[in-house]
Amino acid sequence: GDSVTQMEGPVTLSEEAFLTINCTYTATGYPSLFWYVQYPGEGLQLLLKATKADDKGSNKGFEATYRKETTSFHLEKGSVQVSDSAVYFCAPVGSGGSNYKLTFGKGTLLTVNP
Amino acid sequence: DAGVIQSPRHEVTEMGQEVTLRCKPISGHNSLFWYRQTMMRGLELLIYFNNNVPIDDSGMPEDRFSAKMPNASFSTLKIQPSEPRDSAVYFCASSLRENTEAFFGQGTRLTVV
Repeated sequence: GDSVTQMEGPVTLSEEAFLTINCTYTATGYPSLFWYVQYPGEGLQLLLKATKADDKGSNKGFEATYRKETTSFHLEKGSVQVSDSAVYFCAPVGSGGSNYKLTFGKGTLLTVNP
Repeated sequence: DAGVIQSPRHEVTEMGQEVTLRCKPISGHNSLFWYRQTMMRGLELLIYFNNNVPIDDSGMPEDRFSAKMPNASFSTLKIQPSEPRDSAVYFCASSLRENTEAFFGQGTRLTVV
């Protein structure tokens, strides 16, 4: 089945620092790829997505590019803010058949200090 | 749309009691998921419904757990009897169809004492 390996946290940065959270996946076919964010006390929210190779998903200054050759979908942001402090989850979802479900990584806790 | 609605937001119960968690998916979505989140195990998929039919319940931990979806707008997750190790945050999520992004509810924080 599908699986995902996500950079272990916690990650602590100062405001305006550059962020990278690595994510690699294994999946059959051509999965769609998602990054979700979970703020304290809340459910998961979709941050960005990419549905085919070389697509770049972007939202709120975050970006991730679907790299099929390296099976990766690393999350980046050029200048983080305190309000970006949250847990980030990478998730592939399969392209059909029984690969219907989101497979979540363990999550990466990001703390941004002023 | 109001999004996925879960109730209650918090539940504290005594060991051995029955607990029922409720979920209203987004209207028009035909896929529904129940997840459990703990510090130790992260996010675990418990059960998946498609068009109100349970497709995969392999993540349901044991017979004490059961889930139903009597119609397209309502699902329940029941634990009977509850145990302290069931303490977790339970999330319901729905998606428009298979293989698309899921929208999560705010979760139910369950504490079994």
